[in-house]
Amino acid sequence: DAGVTQSPTHLIKTRGQHVTLRCSPISGHKSVSWYQQVLGQGPQFIFQYYEKEERGRGNFPDRFSARQFPNYSSELNVNALLLGDSALYLCASSTDRGETQYFGPGTRLLVL
Amino acid sequence: GEDVEQSLFLSVREGDSSVINCTYTDSSSTYLYWYKQEPGAGLQLLTYIFSNMDMKQDQRLTVLLNKKDKHLSLRIADTQTGDSAIYFCASGGSSNTGKLIFGQGTTLQVKP
Repeated sequence: DAGVTQSPTHLIKTRGQHVTLRCSPISGHKSVSWYQQVLGQGPQFIFQYYEKEERGRGNFPDRFSARQFPNYSSELNVNALLLGDSALYLCASSTDRGETQYFGPGTRLLVL
Repeated sequence: GEDVEQSLFLSVREGDSSVINCTYTDSSSTYLYWYKQEPGAGLQLLTYIFSNMDMKQDQRLTVLLNKKDKHLSLRIADTQTGDSAIYFCASGGSSNTGKLIFGQGTTLQVKP
């Protein structure tokens, strides 16, 4: 069975641009969570979506938004990119609201 | 507030046991997790323990939970060079948001 997949694997953007990251959960999983991992730190929670509704939001500015589609895949959007948005963005899927979360390989975003 | 703390670095010899420690503050955490991250990769779920348990064993891995002291440990028996990675402790399940709170990670170095 395929695990969590994310695209793209790497991305380079400049300040002020916007970016869209994509995630496909494990088949049968209805919940997707997004995390930001800055180099040398643990992941920080951004959002969780369950059954296409936002169920949780971390301490991130409104420049960060997400949505979940009917097939349970998800997009994370970040507007007006800042240098500090450079990080590994991780997607995790679970069967419910997050009891056991399985992570994808991440998208590494570099903002110049 | 919610916080998870870990020591940053552990070095052991191949064949020895490794013990990675973690403390957390959220007493309402339902589950506690251990994830492994290899360079350039996402997070791999190693094991997790329900908060009403005090020990869980899974092959070479033993998790001990002291709920009174909010202390969690991961013991890896017969540590191998392939165990070299960053290990993250995480707490979660205390809310309906699916939010996991991660420590900053412990780098395990296994010397041959």
